[in-house]
Amino acid sequence: DVKVTQSSRYLVKRTGEKVFLECVQDMDHENMFWYRQDPGLGLRLIYFSYDVKMKEKGDIPEGYSVSREKKERFSLILESASTNQTSMYLCASNVGSGRAYEQYFGPGTRLTVT
Amino acid sequence: DAKTTQPTSMDCAEGRAANLPCNHSTISGNEYVYWYRQIHSQGPQYIIHGLKNNETNEMASLIITEDRKSSTLILPHATLRDTAVYYCIVRVEGNKLVFGAGTILRVKS
Repeated sequence: DVKVTQSSRYLVKRTGEKVFLECVQDMDHENMFWYRQDPGLGLRLIYFSYDVKMKEKGDIPEGYSVSREKKERFSLILESASTNQTSMYLCASNVGSGRAYEQYFGPGTRLTVT
Repeated sequence: DAKTTQPTSMDCAEGRAANLPCNHSTISGNEYVYWYRQIHSQGPQYIIHGLKNNETNEMASLIITEDRKSSTLILPHATLRDTAVYYCIVRVEGNKLVFGAGTILRVKS
C-alpha cells in the first residue's frame, strides 16, 4: 500500500515563527502536493512538485515556500507564520502520468498559529 | 470550467445502499468524473472514476448518465465506517484536483 506520512498531526506555533511541515511518501511517486483545508473553502492547492528540485505554485502560494531535495520528501515552509495560516495541511502524491487522478493523501497536520 | 453540484448532506441506514448524486451539466467530452471521500481526521481517499461507461470496483459503483450531465456513486451496503464527506470532481487541471464542498454522508444504525 502507498503510504504518505506527515511529520506531525498537531502543531502549535507562535506568530512570526518559521514553520516546517514535512511529508514523505514511500512509493517512488514523481508528483507531490501540499493543500490546505478550511471549513467552507474545501481543499486548496498551495504548491506542487513534479520532480526533485522542481516546484510550481498552486492557487494560494502566498506566505509559503517548498523544498524537494529528495524524491520521497516534500517540505512546506511558512517563512513567518501568521494567524490566518491556522489550518489543516494535507500532503499528497501520485505517479507522473496515466493515473494522475489517483492522489494518495497523508493524514494531515492541524496547525494552530497563536 | 466544469463544476459540480452535490447535496450538502444525506443520511443512509446501515446495510442499505447509499446513492450519492452529482450534477455536472457543463462537463466536456474528455473530462472524467472522479470520486473521493474524506473520513473525519483523515486525508481524502480515491474511490472510483469514469468517463462514459458505468464502473465498479471493490469500494463502489459509478453510474454516469448517457448525456454525462450527472452521475451517482453507489455504496451497495453502507456501514458506519462509510460516514464521510464524499467529493465529486470533474475538473483536473494538469495533475491538480479541484475539490468542491462535497456531500456529508451519515450512515446510521
